[in-house]
Amino acid sequence: EDKVVQSPLSLVVHEGDTVTLNCSYEVTNFRSLLWYKQEKKAPTFLFMLTSSGIEKKSGRLSSILDKKELFSILNITATQTGDSAIYLCAVEHAGGTSYGKLTFGQGTILTVHP
Amino acid sequence: DTEVTQTPKHLVMGMTNKKSLKCEQHMGHRAMYWYKQKAKKPPELMFVYSYEKLSINESVPSRFSPECPNSSLLNLHLHALQPEDSALYLCASSQASSGPTLEYFGPGTRLTVT
Repeated sequence: EDKVVQSPLSLVVHEGDTVTLNCSYEVTNFRSLLWYKQEKKAPTFLFMLTSSGIEKKSGRLSSILDKKELFSILNITATQTGDSAIYLCAVEHAGGTSYGKLTFGQGTILTVHP
Repeated sequence: DTEVTQTPKHLVMGMTNKKSLKCEQHMGHRAMYWYKQKAKKPPELMFVYSYEKLSINESVPSRFSPECPNSSLLNLHLHALQPEDSALYLCASSQASSGPTLEYFGPGTRLTVT
């Protein structure tokens, strides 16, 4: 059975702290691993990772994938209150010849206090 | 245009009502998805359409009936729902590809069944 597990499930920090969110997975026909940020509504895309060891960066956020150990981390440095959200890890695997299926982890609820 | 739109934003319906949720994208994506998300839980896949054909039905009860009238539109027809069906319903779309693809999510319809 395809499985994506995130840890921690929740995290409370103060502004300026650095956080690391973890995502491990077991899926068949892996295509990519995606990180999304979800506030009140739809998940918004952060990163798509397909290759091991290549760090992706966007401002204070960065992420890396390890396809041998089957996990990914999302780092956020110098956290701000606007980073408070649910961070979802999803693994895309082949659903058919022309589409993928996403299996989501449970999410990490990040709360950043001023 | 990287937008997926959904209407309505909010919907309150009784258990005997019939209503429809609508989703639209103009990115030329040929894979479209319906997800259900309960509070503090990750999205759960319901249906996948690929090239306007239903490709995946994740054992969803028949009171949910999807329809893909053309490559830009996806509907979800609702009939005789139960209170436990109250949730955020998310639509997503992606390119049809045998390789990694990125799913773009709409803002969701928050459904309350009374």
